[in-house]
Amino acid sequence: GAVVSQHPSRVICKSGTSVKIECRSLDFQATTMFWYRQFPKKSLMLMATSNEGSKATYEQGVEKDKFLINHASLTLSTLTVTSAHPEDSSFYICSAEAGEGGSTDTQYFGPGTRLTVL
Amino acid sequence: GENVEQHPSTLSVQEGDSAVIKCTYSDSASNYFPWYKQELGKGPQLIIDIRSNVGEKKDQRIAVTLNKTAKHFSLHITETQPEDSAVYFCAATSRNYQLIWGAGTKLIIKP
Repeated sequence: GAVVSQHPSRVICKSGTSVKIECRSLDFQATTMFWYRQFPKKSLMLMATSNEGSKATYEQGVEKDKFLINHASLTLSTLTVTSAHPEDSSFYICSAEAGEGGSTDTQYFGPGTRLTVL
Repeated sequence: GENVEQHPSTLSVQEGDSAVIKCTYSDSASNYFPWYKQELGKGPQLIIDIRSNVGEKKDQRIAVTLNKTAKHFSLHITETQPEDSAVYFCAATSRNYQLIWGAGTKLIIKP
């Protein structure tokens, strides 16, 4: 159980275009989903926290107009990188957390999406 | 601010030997401590976790110990196998229930 999928696994796009990444919890309902960015040989950097039906909470330094997050249902969250530039190239990983909030529940991670902006 | 320190950054052990990775955390209110294994090009996979009301937890070859007084917790892998080679991350909860991550340990199992 506790499987999280991400799509696409890999995407290459031209500078200036937008890219949407989907994150789905396949066998549980995720009240909270997280989006991370990971640079090579580095730890995970939290970008934003999203709760179903409400606006995402972005970490300091993360542009909310650049990284649009939608958490429309308890099993789906999307991250759209708008007007992508080469510096946005990275490994983006989502995680999903079951539970009712107010405490820390286990985060289950997706397989990640490798974004390359040319 | 809240932080988690993880050591060592790289650990090389002979196949069959044990591996120990240590983390210290700064927030005394932290109460949940997961360990994740990440293989190259993949997302992190939860391998074991522990909550603050427990001092030790074991799952086959993997164990985690927690010392709340000293604010440190450790991952122990016994009888290491080649497939244990990966990067391991520890994490601890922050006051707003998010996870604060360690920098990661690259574990190399030598045949």
